[in-house]
Amino acid sequence: GAGVSQSPSNKVTEKGKDVELRCDPISGHTALYWYRQSLGQGLEFLIYFQGNSAPDKSGLPSDRFSAERTGGSVSTLTIQRTQQEDSAVYLCASSPTHTGELFFGEGSRLTVL
Amino acid sequence: GQQVMQIPQYQHVQEGEDFTTYCNSSTTLSNIQWYKQRPGGHPVFLIQLVKSGEVKKQKRLTFQFGEAKKNSSLHITATQTTDVGTYFCAGYSGTYKYIFGTGTRLKVLA
Repeated sequence: GAGVSQSPSNKVTEKGKDVELRCDPISGHTALYWYRQSLGQGLEFLIYFQGNSAPDKSGLPSDRFSAERTGGSVSTLTIQRTQQEDSAVYLCASSPTHTGELFFGEGSRLTVL
Repeated sequence: GQQVMQIPQYQHVQEGEDFTTYCNSSTTLSNIQWYKQRPGGHPVFLIQLVKSGEVKKQKRLTFQFGEAKKNSSLHITATQTTDVGTYFCAGYSGTYKYIFGTGTRLKVLA
């Protein structure tokens, strides 16, 4: 596709369940970012990938959060044993370089009941 | 760690009035970007500033990067209803990530 694609667009889950969020970046973009945005708030950095490696995982809130990127393309953000405070919009962005314009997807809205 | 603050948090203006949002970083930045997020949408890139004291214009929008590369501003002349949204700055200090500011939510009253 022409832009960054994220799925699912909406996810409602019960507390304690695991969820996987997927990001398909723009083809050829080596840099990939995950951010989290709570309602009416700013963007909280979670993790950055350059190719398949993650030189900066400092933003992951806890060890329940993990992410991987395969083939220098698709990335998956996994949240284990979800908690209500995990409810937010998870935004993925890709960029041709690590200092370039960020192209955001539409986000995955996660609601934990 | 690095923090990026924006003021004001909210701004309501009458259509036709000017608007300015200010961005301040706790650390010196390599570059700064500005994004606009419409209600219900995702952030969309507006511009990137790299040089100390740089000023760039896009139609009614004027962007400025401070001399010390720790602050920036976005000024909109003669706001229109299409300017509604939240404006974020995002600072890069060479640590592999852009740290987003807290955002300024702009409402334009027709």
